[in-house]
Amino acid sequence: DTEVTQTPKHLVMGMTNKKSLKCEQHMGHRAMYWYKQKAKKPPELMFVYSYEKLSINESVPSRFSPECPNSSLLNLHLHALQPEDSALYLCASSQGSGQGPDTQYFGPGTRLTVL
Amino acid sequence: KNQVEQSPQSLIILEGKNCTLQCNYTVSPFSNLRWYKQDTGRGPVSLTIMTFSENTKSNGRYTATLDADTKQSSLHITASQLSDSASYICVVSQLYSSASKIIFGSGTRLSIRP
Repeated sequence: DTEVTQTPKHLVMGMTNKKSLKCEQHMGHRAMYWYKQKAKKPPELMFVYSYEKLSINESVPSRFSPECPNSSLLNLHLHALQPEDSALYLCASSQGSGQGPDTQYFGPGTRLTVL
Repeated sequence: KNQVEQSPQSLIILEGKNCTLQCNYTVSPFSNLRWYKQDTGRGPVSLTIMTFSENTKSNGRYTATLDADTKQSSLHITASQLSDSASYICVVSQLYSSASKIIFGSGTRLSIRP
């Protein structure tokens, strides 16, 4: 199984709503990532979890709150977002063992629209 | 500064023709280079991955080359199909980076016309 799944596929929310994005992988990967991608731009890294601990936070606003409940799951909690936060949110995972090339496998993404 | 630059920015070719996409990088120390295909609104899918010692790697109609001396890579697509229309992203990792950042190129948007 080389699949990373993300739910929901699409999400529309108001600026006062609280919602969560979910990501799951069953490849035994120990590193998981959240990216934000605007149209016609490459993905921008937001957070990295390594062995269920937050290892990188790319100065992301606190209205985005990541959570890694276990090694297979990664959540992104959203609160008080702005319209400019509308984007494709991608989750990825990799072996993260530090041994050899570390290919990241991406999920299909969640298309988020903030009204 | 660690950078990955791709060219051309966009490309339109007729179905059945071949094309080559370019990637130049200044990432150091180099670990590996990957080419991803990304359909609009979908997550990137890995096509090839090459380490320092690999010069060529194929995946069906996709062939990637790597020249670690000049820090250049290319992705050659043979006998293009309509389904090849997508963005192709070159991604470079630094040596000994496990769960750390990778550097993305801006991508080449490829359109295949019937």
